Amino acid sequence: KNEVEQSPQNLTAQEGEFITINCSYSVGISALHWLQQHPGGGIVSLFMLSSGKKKHGRLIATINIQEKHSSLHITASHPRDSAVYICAVRVQGAQKLVFGQGTRLTINP
Amino acid sequence: DTEVTQTPKHLVMGMTNKKSLKCEQHMGHRAMYWYKQKAKKPPELMFVYSYEKLSINESVPSRFSPECPNSSLLNLHLHALQPEDSALYLCASSQAIGLAGNNEQFFGPGTRLTVL
Repeated sequence: KNEVEQSPQNLTAQEGEFITINCSYSVGISALHWLQQHPGGGIVSLFMLSSGKKKHGRLIATINIQEKHSSLHITASHPRDSAVYICAVRVQGAQKLVFGQGTRLTINP
Repeated sequence: DTEVTQTPKHLVMGMTNKKSLKCEQHMGHRAMYWYKQKAKKPPELMFVYSYEKLSINESVPSRFSPECPNSSLLNLHLHALQPEDSALYLCASSQAIGLAGNNEQFFGPGTRLTVL
């Protein structure tokens, strides 16, 4: 079992829909990252969280440390949001990130 | 400047060639990373440099040789690669590693490597 599990693996929605991507982890962490990767492209860091909630434009990320769970929400989704969204955690005491398998999001016009 | 740059964007090389990938950041970050990413898979960590010293080598074959000539530059020297080494190679940087400091990683656009 992976230390970081994302769901769903694939998600297709219509433009304007509210999107939720989930991330669960099984280890103690010092921080959790949400990353975005467009097809064939590099990775963009969206959020780094250690508690609570962060908002940037139409994107909202939440984390519940006790439940070892984080969610990424996209409001008023748009075709340009189509990308792979990756959850990654920094394990306590470790120097590297542990990545989830990613969620492939497709927003249709 | 909040950017990590990588050159070249694309590289095609034969198994006998020697080539280098370059990564640069001017954010004053003291930790730099090389990742390898195969299609539809998450990135896999290869190397971490901290204050220009190799901190982590994830048992990477010696045909990949990293170099950190100064705090802004990170190179990955390639020699005698195999076709299965074809992948997207991503560089990243962060202010620091370990428990102290801001560990948010900033990624470059990657170099897409094809080994023939």
